[in-house]
Amino acid sequence: EVQLVESGGGLVQPGGSLRLSCAASGFTLSSFWVSWVRQAPGKGPEWVANIAQDGSAENYVDSVKGRFTISRDNAKNSVYLQMNSLRAEDTAVYYCARVSGGYDVVDYWGQGTLVTVSS
Amino acid sequence: EIVLTQSPATLSLSPGERATLSCRASQSVSSYLAWYQQKPGQAPRLLIYDASNRATGISARFSGSGSGTDFTLTISSLEPEDVAVYYCQYRRTFGGGTKVEIK
Repeated sequence: EVQLVESGGGLVQPGGSLRLSCAASGFTLSSFWVSWVRQAPGKGPEWVANIAQDGSAENYVDSVKGRFTISRDNAKNSVYLQMNSLRAEDTAVYYCARVSGGYDVVDYWGQGTLVTVSS
Repeated sequence: EIVLTQSPATLSLSPGERATLSCRASQSVSSYLAWYQQKPGQAPRLLIYDASNRATGISARFSGSGSGTDFTLTISSLEPEDVAVYYCQYRRTFGGGTKVEIK
């Protein structure tokens, strides 16, 4: 069974940092792109970043460029999102998502981890 | 940047009725459109990819159609378990969602 389990969310002050982790199981992580998608309270999903199967390519939404870094360790079946210089508008549930095919379609989602940026 | 506009914002129907949800793209996305269902407190779930292909395990009550800029998700006979918000997606862009309610 494909599973993606996020951890690392919590309450952080503006300007602070958090590192999210995504533990993958039930499939060969190294065969898939992985995305992070966030959803602010009451809003629709927003794509944040993705990373290629071997980590050779990364992409970010403009609003997080220079502040967030996506990475992966296929040997540990894990994907990470390092979030620095956090802002109130980064408050959201962050989902780890397995990408299927070439057009960013997500076929499996984690349960999400809540990040709250507030003083 | 492509913008996806979903309509209506809310759809309220009786059980057994047909639900028709629309997603319009600001420019052609060919057939590269996906639909997701999100129930309260849950992660989104893939329903349809490439405009008309049902994802694994998805009921045949759900169907997708369209190409270019105009797409439709149809629920043939609405059931109480279909209460959710439905989103369309093209690459890294999501639509604003349609909330489906039961009368």
